[in-house]
Order: sequence, then structure tokens, then C-alpha cells
Amino acid sequence: QVQLVQSGAEVKKPGSSVKVSCKTSGDTSTSFGVSWVRQAPGHGLEWMGGIIPIFGTTDYAPKLKDRVTITADESTNTVYMEMSSLRSEDTAVYYCARAALVTLSYHYGMDVWGQGTTVTVSS
Amino acid sequence: DIQMTQSPSSLSASVGDRVTITCRASQSINSYLNWYQQKPGKAPKYLIYAASNLHTGVPSRFSGSGYGTDFTLTISSLQPEDFATYYCQQSYSPPYSFGQGTKLQIK
Repeated sequence: QVQLVQSGAEVKKPGSSVKVSCKTSGDTSTSFGVSWVRQAPGHGLEWMGGIIPIFGTTDYAPKLKDRVTITADESTNTVYMEMSSLRSEDTAVYYCARAALVTLSYHYGMDVWGQGTTVTVSS
Repeated sequence: DIQMTQSPSSLSASVGDRVTITCRASQSINSYLNWYQQKPGKAPKYLIYAASNLHTGVPSRFSGSGYGTDFTLTISSLQPEDFATYYCQQSYSPPYSFGQGTKLQIK
């Protein structure tokens, strides 16, 4: 049974950076894409970007691509999301989620989700 | 980018009711449409993929349909545990955008 376990809550100052981790256990195939999705308080879901760990290939939402970097460490089955130049609007719960059903594709959505990491940006 | 629009934004219904939520894409996404259920303080739960395929373990009262730009999620007989927020998501091309959500509340 696949599980995604994320790192703990973070409190950051505006202008700083944050790095959130997502460790896979169970089926640790690195051929399944991993996406990052965030949810600001009281708002909907926003897809931020994703990575195919076995190749390291990434896709990003255009509005975030200048500030977000997604990386993977195959040796530890861990995916990372780093965001720079943090603003108060980046306060949100950040989820990692695994692509469903087929390898090397995001075409069927995300079937396994991490528990979420709360990132608070405040001076 | 593909824009996803859900309607209604909120919906009040009773246990046993049949409800339908609509999701429209700003361009054709073939059948690359997924549905999720989210309860407060919890991660989203995967319900339906490729417009009409139920994920393992999802009750058969849930169903999805559609192709191209127009899609629906139907719950045939609402149960107490179904009151939640539902999101559609296109997985045709990145960024893999979500609808704004439909909050299903108890009448």
C-alpha cells in the first residue's frame, strides 16, 4: 500500500524560502509522477507542478514556475518542493500526490495523497 | 491554460436525494477529467478518473460522464458521509487545473 508522508509545518518570513519533502513508502516505483497541489485557507485546489522521478522531468504551473523547484531523490524515494520569495499569499496547505494508474503520465489524476504540510508566511 | 468551471458552487440536499454537479472545460480535454471529494481538514480523495471510471472502493452511487468540454458527477442517493466539497480536474495538459469546487451541504 502506497503512502506519502510529508514533512512538518513551517512558519516563514516574507521573502524567504521553504522546502517541503514527500517520502513514498510501499510501492516505491520512481516511474510514477508526483505532483504538488496547494490550498490556501478557504480556497480551492491549485496544481503547482510535478516530477517524474526516474527521469527528473518536471512541469510547472506558469504562474509559479519562477519561484518553485521540484526535485526528487531516488535513493530515498523522496520528492521535494522548494518555493522562494515567499509572500503572505503563499500561506496554504501543500499536498504531494502520486499520479494514478500508469507510469510516466499524469493523465489519470492523483490517487494517493500526502497528509499535507501547512506553510504560514508571516512577518 | 485550460480553465475549469464547476456549477453550482454550493448545493443543499437531503439524504437520499440525487444530485448532479457539472464541470466545463474551456477547451476539449477528451475524457481526461477526474473528480475528487474533500472533507474539512483532510486531503482530497480520488473518486473518478477518465470521466467515468470509479476508483477502487468508491461506492457505486457515484458516477461520472461526459466528453470534450462538458462533464457531470452524479450521486444517485446521498448518504450522510457524502456531504463534502467536490472538485473536478483536467489531466489533458499542464497545468492540470482544478475547478473551483462545489460544496455539498445538508438541507
